[in-house]
Amino acid sequence: TQLLEQSPQFLSIQEGENLTVYCNSSSVFSSLQWYRQEPGEGPVLLVTVVTGGEVKKLKRLTFQFGDARKDSSLHITAAQPGDTGLYLCAKPNFGNEKLTFGTGTRLTIIP
Amino acid sequence: DTGVSQDPRHKITKRGQNVTFRCDPISEHNRLYWYRQTLGQGPEFLTYFQNEAQLEKSRLLSDRFSAERPKGSFSTLEIQRTEQGDSAMYLCASSLALRGREQYFGPGTRLTVT
Repeated sequence: TQLLEQSPQFLSIQEGENLTVYCNSSSVFSSLQWYRQEPGEGPVLLVTVVTGGEVKKLKRLTFQFGDARKDSSLHITAAQPGDTGLYLCAKPNFGNEKLTFGTGTRLTIIP
Repeated sequence: DTGVSQDPRHKITKRGQNVTFRCDPISEHNRLYWYRQTLGQGPEFLTYFQNEAQLEKSRLLSDRFSAERPKGSFSTLEIQRTEQGDSAMYLCASSLALRGREQYFGPGTRLTVT
């Protein structure tokens, strides 16, 4: 089983601060997805990155795929309480698209 | 499009009882996935269907677990003789069977085995 390690496991910061969370693996990915999950709900897809070195922006969120396609980061600028949630990275399996999820980063933004 | 729905949202059962969960996917989606998520962890793949055919089952899916999708639409996941270790959130997702197509997740069924 290919493991996706996410760090930090927990992060609690003040509103307005910037933060970065990471997703790492020892293996190369063909693509990587980032999800946010709120309590009592299923994960919601934020972005898919495919090309090594790729950077995608979604409002205040910036996603980067490592050049070697073994790691990814999510940077949030000027965090808001609405950003609170569990952030998960996931690798789609070629063919059946089943997802292998990372361990998650639980983010809390304090107003 | 009402999204993926799951029923019930919460289930509390005593050890040894059987439980059944239902998932209704997005209507035109031919793939349906089941995942299990324990507290503080990411979801883990259990099984998936393409139309009515169950194409893969994880080793996590012991013989007490069975899933069906009889008409290629809704799916059920049954757990027989529940154990405390079965306590988790059971998530269903659906998608089109095309490379790179997004999976849409339901809200999950939270199972507590006492």
